[in-house]
Amino acid sequence: GESVGLHLPTLSVQEGDNSIINCAYSNSASDYFIWYKQESGKGPQFIIDIRSNMDKRQGQRVTVLLNKTVKHLSLQIAATQPGDSAVYFCAENILNAGGTSYGKLTFGQGTILTVHP
Amino acid sequence: DSGVTQTPKHLITATGQRVTLRCSPRSGDLSVYWYQQSLDQGLQFLIQYYNGEERAKGNILERFSAQQFPDLHSELNLSSLELGDSALYFCASSVGLAGVGNTGELFFGEGSRLTVL
Repeated sequence: GESVGLHLPTLSVQEGDNSIINCAYSNSASDYFIWYKQESGKGPQFIIDIRSNMDKRQGQRVTVLLNKTVKHLSLQIAATQPGDSAVYFCAENILNAGGTSYGKLTFGQGTILTVHP
Repeated sequence: DSGVTQTPKHLITATGQRVTLRCSPRSGDLSVYWYQQSLDQGLQFLIQYYNGEERAKGNILERFSAQQFPDLHSELNLSSLELGDSALYFCASSVGLAGVGNTGELFFGEGSRLTVL
């Protein structure tokens, strides 16, 4: 029978442009969010995380923005490079009272980022 | 290289069979996680072990089981295989329980691609 696969959103940018990848998360109780990057043939790789008591966090060339009101997370990549081409996943988690989680990350479907030289 | 080693990289088997996937976490990491990545379901959490004990369980089928050994390596056993079990199975590890203070960084292996014919 016909297989139904995930239809991932795609984003195509030119090298040097800034990229913004969006994610709508589902669980209003989630209080910890992470972005992962997955290159072809590899496992996901951690990029940056943010806790729900923050609305912005910056890393090297990346910024994560969190809007809990609308349950929206975004990843901004500055000066996008061809090596940034990958599938980007947001993931959400719930922390326990001790501030740790059980590692049960709930991943979004992912966004395919293609960077053209 | 994440430091997480998974074997085998590829596995082709028939329906009804049983397979074992093996994972060696990064040196020093106590937590091991198993995730399944399929075309129609995306990345799904299966199970987590911490220092030999089961810590969290996701949507893991009863036909699947896992364990973490005293040397901290882990195995995922998949039995009575069905066509729909064809997927990439990722193992990830972290130092402790991922969360604030420990970061959300899970280190993923490159996966074991299972094809059930």
